[in-house]
Amino acid sequence: QKEVEQDPGPLSVPEGAIVSLNCTYSNSAFQYFMWYRQYSRKGPELLMYTYSSGNKEDGRFTAQVDKSSKYISLFIRDSQPSDSATYLCAMSSVVSGGSNYKLTFGKGTLLTVNP
Amino acid sequence: GAVVSQHPSRVICKSGTSVKIECRSLDFQATTMFWYRQFPKKSLMLMATSNEGSKATYEQGVEKDKFLINHASLTLSTLTVTSAHPEDSSFYICSAMTWDTQYFGPGTRLTVL
Repeated sequence: QKEVEQDPGPLSVPEGAIVSLNCTYSNSAFQYFMWYRQYSRKGPELLMYTYSSGNKEDGRFTAQVDKSSKYISLFIRDSQPSDSATYLCAMSSVVSGGSNYKLTFGKGTLLTVNP
Repeated sequence: GAVVSQHPSRVICKSGTSVKIECRSLDFQATTMFWYRQFPKKSLMLMATSNEGSKATYEQGVEKDKFLINHASLTLSTLTVTSAHPEDSSFYICSAMTWDTQYFGPGTRLTVL
């Protein structure tokens, strides 16, 4: 079983739809959870950063973490064509800047928002 | 936000040659930089962690003699792919740490003929 599982999609939605992206993980030591957005042929861009369980909202984006189920989600409200990209979940057991810090990524979900 | 650059953005080379990729943090100092490799429709795979002034820490299965990493200053890390072969063709991405966040460069597409 891979440490982080993410459905690669592709996922295609109409403009204005609510998008739900998910990852599951097996390593219970993971405490820090991130979502990155990656446009084609570009490096990943940090969208959301959460620690432990709970919700975090930033504009149209909401990140949820359920550590008991080892499940994290990213919701995009009022999706726009400019949201079309690959979304990668990432997680770490060590706080950033700490010793042995590294991120474990999911495969990424390719999202297309159609106008 | 913090900016990380990579150079070159794309390189094509012949089999057997060596290629150097630079990663720079433009507006902040990064004591730690990371090098990743990404295959099409695959996740980012961490290759090595690079700390300024010390030897890089390589992930299991990554040949340190093939992928030479130098982190000579707080704003520059380099990855040299030595004696490149077609199977080394990939998208290489670096990232640099601020105190709490990892920022990624735009990536370098390497094609080995």
